[in-house]
Amino acid sequence: SQTIHQWPATLVQPVGSPLSLECTVEGTSNPNLYWYRQAAGRGLQLLFYSVGIGQISSEVPQNLSASRPQDRQFILSSKKLLLSDSGFYLCAWRFSGNTIYFGEGSWLTVV
Amino acid sequence: GIQVEQSPPDLILQEGANSTLRCNFSDSVNNLQWFHQNPWGQLINLFYIPSGTKQNGRLSATTVATERYSLLYISSSQTTDSGVYFCAVELQAGTALIFGKGTTLSVSS
Repeated sequence: SQTIHQWPATLVQPVGSPLSLECTVEGTSNPNLYWYRQAAGRGLQLLFYSVGIGQISSEVPQNLSASRPQDRQFILSSKKLLLSDSGFYLCAWRFSGNTIYFGEGSWLTVV
Repeated sequence: GIQVEQSPPDLILQEGANSTLRCNFSDSVNNLQWFHQNPWGQLINLFYIPSGTKQNGRLSATTVATERYSLLYISSSQTTDSGVYFCAVELQAGTALIFGKGTTLSVSS
């Protein structure tokens, strides 16, 4: 069966520090991968999605970036965090069919 | 871009009550899904329903694609139904789901 792992689950980072969130999917090949962000009390905002290795589509201009160095690995990064980057970050995957599956999320607090 | 509007934004129910959540979207879509986010943040897919009607236990959903709306019905609500319900749509196959702002449901015993 397919599983998705996302880490770290929680982190507190100072303003201006770098960020790296990692997501891996097991049990499938060539999935579509997604990063979403949910600010407190709000809906999910699509940040990036990838249909293959090295292929990244950015939906919102910001100081975040994404990379897909391997087929089942998706990384969200920032060189310098802002207070406004705080939120709940969710990785998701989809392969055959149309159902999308989410990881457990990463809570980021920028202080 | 496409607009996805959900109503009501908040809903408070007594256990056992029924409810209807609505999702309106501004363009023709290839994909529509309903999700439930529990109090711990986990998102669970409820229905993939670009058109027609589906039922799963106490939950059912109907999408009228020609009129660009979808409804999620919850019958005999339970406290475990509490959380946020999201509608999400996809314009073209292989792109990404765009989410509405959600309906926050609170069910009390």
